[in-house]
Amino acid sequence: AQKITQTQPGMFVQEKEAVTLDCTYDTSDPSYGLFWYKQPSSGEMIFLIYQGSYDQQNATEGRYSLNFQKARKSANLVISASQLGDSAMYFCAMSGDNTDKLIFGTGTRLQVFP
Amino acid sequence: SQTIHQWPATLVQPVGSPLSLECTVEGTSNPNLYWYRQAAGRGLQLLFYSVGIGQISSEVPQNLSASRPQDRQFILSSKKLLLSDSGFYLCAWSPGHRDIQYFGAGTRLSVL
Repeated sequence: AQKITQTQPGMFVQEKEAVTLDCTYDTSDPSYGLFWYKQPSSGEMIFLIYQGSYDQQNATEGRYSLNFQKARKSANLVISASQLGDSAMYFCAMSGDNTDKLIFGTGTRLQVFP
Repeated sequence: SQTIHQWPATLVQPVGSPLSLECTVEGTSNPNLYWYRQAAGRGLQLLFYSVGIGQISSEVPQNLSASRPQDRQFILSSKKLLLSDSGFYLCAWSPGHRDIQYFGAGTRLSVL
């Protein structure tokens, strides 16, 4: 069975600093995808970044980068130059074994302070 | 561009009443469609997904059902709501197998 673990219930970071949100996963499927979503207080889930299991390079999208360490089964999200608007819940997710469903972690609440 | 619409945004219903939440997608054809539920302070749990009209897969046995009467329409229903059905319901779509899923704004359901 697949599993996503996010061990940081909450994180604080000062504006303009970088922050790393941890995510580890477990799967026996050789092909899988890893996703990060942002959920602000409004509730909408906003897609941030995707990493395929066979991608050789770490994914980057603007200020977001995914630190993919396949041997360690980790897919940490790095947010550079944090902004106040980055305060939200962040969820790591992975695609399922031969299905289309996403398995979500329990999330990390990020708070950016001035 | 593709957009996903979900309504209503909030809903307060008495126990035992019926439920119908609707989700529609624009700007694409034959999308995969999903219904998730999020309990307060928790991650998302997949309830149903559909790869085509009339094709529904259920992930969790419960008081809810789903239907896909049209290609880009996905409906979540219940004949009689329970207190435990309260939560935040999110609809999502993806272009295909293992693709990125894009979410609607969600419906906050309170069953009293």
